[in-house]
Amino acid sequence: GNSVTQMEGPVTLSEEAFLTINCTYTATGYPSLFWYVQYPGEGLQLLLKATKADDKGSNKGFEATYRKETTSFHLEKGSVQVSDSAVYFCALPGNNRLAFGKGNQVVVIP
Amino acid sequence: GAGVSQSPSNKVTEKGKDVELRCDPISGHTALYWYRQSLGQGLEFLIYFQGNSAPDKSGLPSDRFSAERTGGSVSTLTIQRTQQEDSAVYLCASSTRETQYFGPGTRLLVL
Repeated sequence: GNSVTQMEGPVTLSEEAFLTINCTYTATGYPSLFWYVQYPGEGLQLLLKATKADDKGSNKGFEATYRKETTSFHLEKGSVQVSDSAVYFCALPGNNRLAFGKGNQVVVIP
Repeated sequence: GAGVSQSPSNKVTEKGKDVELRCDPISGHTALYWYRQSLGQGLEFLIYFQGNSAPDKSGLPSDRFSAERTGGSVSTLTIQRTQQEDSAVYLCASSTRETQYFGPGTRLLVL
């Protein structure tokens, strides 16, 4: 079935640094791809999505491009803020549910 | 408009008690999902509703877990005879198509 793999481990970086979180997927066909964000003590919020190959999703300064050739959907932000500290999940639909990656905790230090 | 709401936001219960968790989806969303998020387990699918029917219950971890949906709207997840391993955040989501919108979750602690 459809699945996603996120890079292991938390990410700690300084304010205004560049953020990349890797996500690769395995899927039948070309499903939409999603990034969700979970702030401390809250539920998941949709951050951005892309519905077809080469689409770029963007929101709040975050971007991710649907790459069919490399089966990837890496999340990037050029200059992070302390308020971006959260857990980020890559996801895609499959079999009556969303398949999620394990999530990456991002900690931004002032 | 209003998003997905869940209640209670927090629930502390004693082992062996039954609990009910409620989800109010976004109005007009025909699909509703329950997930569980626990430390070390990530996000686990529990059950999927289309309207009032549950064509996929494959994620329910045991027969102590059940869920229903009425009027194509509100859903209740019931855990009978709670165990400590049931402690987790229970998340509900709704959708019309592929994009799922999540509620804030219910944090369940079983003592």
